[in-house]
Amino acid sequence: GENVEQHPSTLSVQEGDSAVIKCTYSDSASNYFPWYKQELGKRPQLIIDIRSNVGEKKDQRIAVTLNKTAKHFSLHITETQPEDSAVYFCAASILWGANNLFFGTGTRLTVIP
Amino acid sequence: EPEVTQTPSHQVTQMGQEVILRCVPISNHLYFYWYRQILGQKVEFLVSFYNNEISEKSEIFDDQFSVERPDGSNFTLKIRSTKLEDSAMYFCASKPGRGKPDTQYFGPGTRLTVL
Repeated sequence: GENVEQHPSTLSVQEGDSAVIKCTYSDSASNYFPWYKQELGKRPQLIIDIRSNVGEKKDQRIAVTLNKTAKHFSLHITETQPEDSAVYFCAASILWGANNLFFGTGTRLTVIP
Repeated sequence: EPEVTQTPSHQVTQMGQEVILRCVPISNHLYFYWYRQILGQKVEFLVSFYNNEISEKSEIFDDQFSVERPDGSNFTLKIRSTKLEDSAMYFCASKPGRGKPDTQYFGPGTRLTVL
């Protein structure tokens, strides 16, 4: 089955700096890659997603890039703010039927004011 | 905005007891999921459900687990004989049907503690 690796496990940045989180996946059939943000004790919430037919997608301060050949994708957060502090999970799935999500191990991002 | 809801928020049970975790997916969604997250670890897929039957299940989803959609709104996860290692946060999720956005919307979770 699909195996998603995520790095780093923890990341601390100064407010205003950029943060980058990287993921790799193993199943070349995966074609949908969402990113979820989970604040302490809360539900995972989708912040951005990308399909394999595009290489990059941006939404305000958040962007995701995908390299299908290398089977890796990354989350970029620019101009970080303290409220960006959370655990971020990448995931991969196949857009067919139920498209179950396979999650990475998470990155705890801390933005230092 | 509609949200997935789950009850209870926290369930404490003795090892060997049965528990039922309840979820109300978003009303017009057609795909339903259960995931679990052991403390400090990643979210793991358990099972997906579509058209009143299991669509896929993971290796974790063994004979002690079952799912049911007893009526038009609830979606339940039953754990028949709980073990200590079942202690985790259990998330329900739902998604619209095919041809619509692929986003899975997660519920707030039920924290299961097995003593």
